[in-house]
Amino acid sequence: KAGVTQTPRYLIKTRGQQVTLSCSPISGHRSVSWYQQTPGQGLQFLFEYFSETQRNKGNFPGRFSGRQFSNSRSEMNVSTLELGDSALYLCASSLGFQPQHFGDGTRLSIL
Amino acid sequence: GQNIDQPTEMTATEGAIVQINCTYQTSGFNGLFWYQQHAGEAPTFLSYNVLDGLEEKGRFSSFLSRSKGYSYLLLKELQMKDSASYLCAVRDGDYKLSFGAGTTVTVRA
Repeated sequence: KAGVTQTPRYLIKTRGQQVTLSCSPISGHRSVSWYQQTPGQGLQFLFEYFSETQRNKGNFPGRFSGRQFSNSRSEMNVSTLELGDSALYLCASSLGFQPQHFGDGTRLSIL
Repeated sequence: GQNIDQPTEMTATEGAIVQINCTYQTSGFNGLFWYQQHAGEAPTFLSYNVLDGLEEKGRFSSFLSRSKGYSYLLLKELQMKDSASYLCAVRDGDYKLSFGAGTTVTVRA
């Protein structure tokens, strides 16, 4: 069974640009969550989607948004990128409220 | 917001036992998870507690006391490959998962 797949693995952007990250969950998993991980802040919850609806949201500015498609694949978008957005962005999927399984992440660097 | 505390670092010798404590204060409770994360890799699921007591899974065990807002992860017969960060995560009443900052465990020969 394929795991959670995130693309791209690495991305370099400049301040002010926008970026879209993609996540394909494990087959059959309808819940997809996104996290930002930085050395200083650890793993911070961004949002969770279930059946194309945002079920939960963390404390991030409106520049961070996401969506989920009917096949459970999810995307997150960050607009007007700032230097502080440099981080590892992790996606996790789960079957209902079972433990989440993480993808390898997208490492985003802002120059 | 949620408050999840765990020690920053721990060091132990190969073959020994290490206990990583986690205390939490959340709005409601719907389960506690432990994840292992090696440097440069994604977190991998280790254990899940939703009721009080001990869950054993091979060399790893996890304990939960909901009344005390306390959990620990016990790593037995430590191996060099167990050197990693261990993350405590709590699912609150809204089913949102919040993570602690992680405990870096270093296993020495």
